[in-house]
Amino acid sequence: SQKIEQNSEALNIQEGKTATLTCNYTNYSPAYLQWYRQDPGRGPVFLLLIRENEKEKRKERLKVTFDTTLKQSLFHITASQPADSATYLCALLNAGNNRKLIWGLGTSLAVNP
Amino acid sequence: EPEVTQTPSHQVTQMGQEVILRCVPISNHLYFYWYRQILGQKVEFLVSFYNNEISEKSEIFDDQFSVERPDGSNFTLKIRSTKLEDSAMYFCASIWQESTDTQYFGPGTRLTVL
Repeated sequence: SQKIEQNSEALNIQEGKTATLTCNYTNYSPAYLQWYRQDPGRGPVFLLLIRENEKEKRKERLKVTFDTTLKQSLFHITASQPADSATYLCALLNAGNNRKLIWGLGTSLAVNP
Repeated sequence: EPEVTQTPSHQVTQMGQEVILRCVPISNHLYFYWYRQILGQKVEFLVSFYNNEISEKSEIFDDQFSVERPDGSNFTLKIRSTKLEDSAMYFCASIWQESTDTQYFGPGTRLTVL
């Protein structure tokens, strides 16, 4: 069956540390994978996109990696801040689909001061 | 910065009633989407819309659901006869062309069916 899974448990880290979140997928062939941030009661906000032929993408303190052999994407926040506390969602676009994003459940991140 | 807006932010309705959720996509965008997120669950695709017709819909989007772009700015989702299980956050999203990958989401409408 097709699955997209993220760390089910909430992640608690100390301010200044690097947060690493995982997204694994099964039986999909993603054209690309995206990471979004979602705050309580709000819509997802796009952060980064990585395509199937890319290994790594960076944007300021954010880094995403994509390993199509492992069928996994890692999302890193370096020098984390309390304001980074949110739920982070991964979503993939399966090859051939009409822009229909398939979403993970999300991982809750809490950065403690 | 342009943004997608949605109204109302919260809608409470009785089971069996019709509701219309409204979205104003970013003005030069051409592709529109509705998603829903039941509390504690994944975001789920409902429907995509382009050139005044549905491009794709999920199995959730049954005959009780319909979408419309009644004018040049609004994009609506109608649920004809709401059920308890329709209670969720409903998000609208838009992109300006199909080769653009980033979907811009609105803040959502929380629908509560009693």
